[in-house]
Amino acid sequence: DAGVTQSPTHLIKTRGQQVTLRCSPKSGHDTVSWYQQALGQGPQFIFQYYEEEERQRGNFPDRFSGHQFPNYSSELNVNALLLGDSALYLCASRARGDGGEQYFGPGTRLTVT
Amino acid sequence: RKEVEQDPGPFNVPEGATVAFNCTYSNSASQSFFWYRQDCRKEPKLLMSVYSSGNEDGRFTAQLNRASQYISLLIRDSKLSDSATYLCVVLGSGAGSYQLTFGKGTKLSVIP
Repeated sequence: DAGVTQSPTHLIKTRGQQVTLRCSPKSGHDTVSWYQQALGQGPQFIFQYYEEEERQRGNFPDRFSGHQFPNYSSELNVNALLLGDSALYLCASRARGDGGEQYFGPGTRLTVT
Repeated sequence: RKEVEQDPGPFNVPEGATVAFNCTYSNSASQSFFWYRQDCRKEPKLLMSVYSSGNEDGRFTAQLNRASQYISLLIRDSKLSDSATYLCVVLGSGAGSYQLTFGKGTKLSVIP
């Protein structure tokens, strides 16, 4: 049973550039959420997708956008990167109707220089 | 007041000790509660859900006090492998029902 997968594992970008991160949910899950985790902090909710639409959004600027595909996989796009965007980006999946438990992928570590 | 607050620790305990972590949350309408475990530079992993009646899973016991908006995790007979950061997590209600809100985590080091 494949868990949540994310790519790439690590990424180094320069300020002002754009980045796309990818996530495939756990088998049987149709809902994907994205979180940002800065060093020493708990993960912060960015947004959640199901049925290919953004359903809920946290306190993140419009530079952060996403997409969900018919196979439930998802992308996170960040434009005009800032140094403060350096963080671990985590994808979590769940099945709607479950008790709320979400399962996380290994994350993408983004460094902005 | 922060939405989910935890003592950051670190908690340094000897093997075999019992250790307790506490957490408070601000949204009284929250419906679901969890403890996640996160190893260094790894993703959070679900440790256990927390129910109003309290629940136990082996050496781990979780309790919820809705009146005080307080969640606890008790680890008995600590093992070296329990060393990790423990994250208190609340699932929002209503419009925020799909959003997990995390505390900053409590770091545990179990010492031989």
